[in-house]
Amino acid sequence: SQTIHQWPATLVQPVGSPLSLECTVEGTSNPNLYWYRQAAGRGLQLLFYSVGIGQISSEVPQNLSASRPQDRQFILSSKKLLLSDSGFYLCAWSFPGTGTYEQYFGPGTRLTVT
Amino acid sequence: GENVEQHPSTLSVQEGDSAVIKCTYSDSASNYFPWYKQELGKRPQLIIDIRSNVGEKKDQRIAVTLNKTAKHFSLHITETQPEDSAVYFCAASMGAGGTSYGKLTFGQGTILTVHP
Repeated sequence: SQTIHQWPATLVQPVGSPLSLECTVEGTSNPNLYWYRQAAGRGLQLLFYSVGIGQISSEVPQNLSASRPQDRQFILSSKKLLLSDSGFYLCAWSFPGTGTYEQYFGPGTRLTVT
Repeated sequence: GENVEQHPSTLSVQEGDSAVIKCTYSDSASNYFPWYKQELGKRPQLIIDIRSNVGEKKDQRIAVTLNKTAKHFSLHITETQPEDSAVYFCAASMGAGGTSYGKLTFGQGTILTVHP
């Protein structure tokens, strides 16, 4: 079976500091990977998605970037955090290819920028 | 792009009553409609989904209906229990094929409270 991990679980960072959040998936190859942000406990906004190593697409302009250095590893980064970057960051995966639909979420990272 | 509207934003029911949450979508190319349940501080969990070639799907106390013509779909929970209390999200997708890559567009969520 497949498992998705995220770390850290919680993070408190000052404004202007860098950020690195990591997501890994076990039990499948070449998954589609996604980063979502959830602010104030409501509404999930897609930030980035990736269909393969080194392939990153951004959905919204922002202070964040993403990378996929390995098949099952997805990283969310920032060089300088803003207060508005606070939120619950969720990584998700789905099987690749035509005919697959279901998307599953990791446990999330709660980020507070102070 | 796709836009998903979800109503109501909050819903309060008595234990044993039914609850209905409705969503509308804008892009007729969307063909997959999942529902997620999110408990406080936890990840969203997929509870039921429906594809565009089906009008209704049921799993025990929960069911989802889809009206492609009107571009709306609904979640129905019968015999509600206090443990059903959570935030529920609908979403729409064009699946993982082509250039959509399985991206989900979410509604804003419904806070369901079931009173004992």
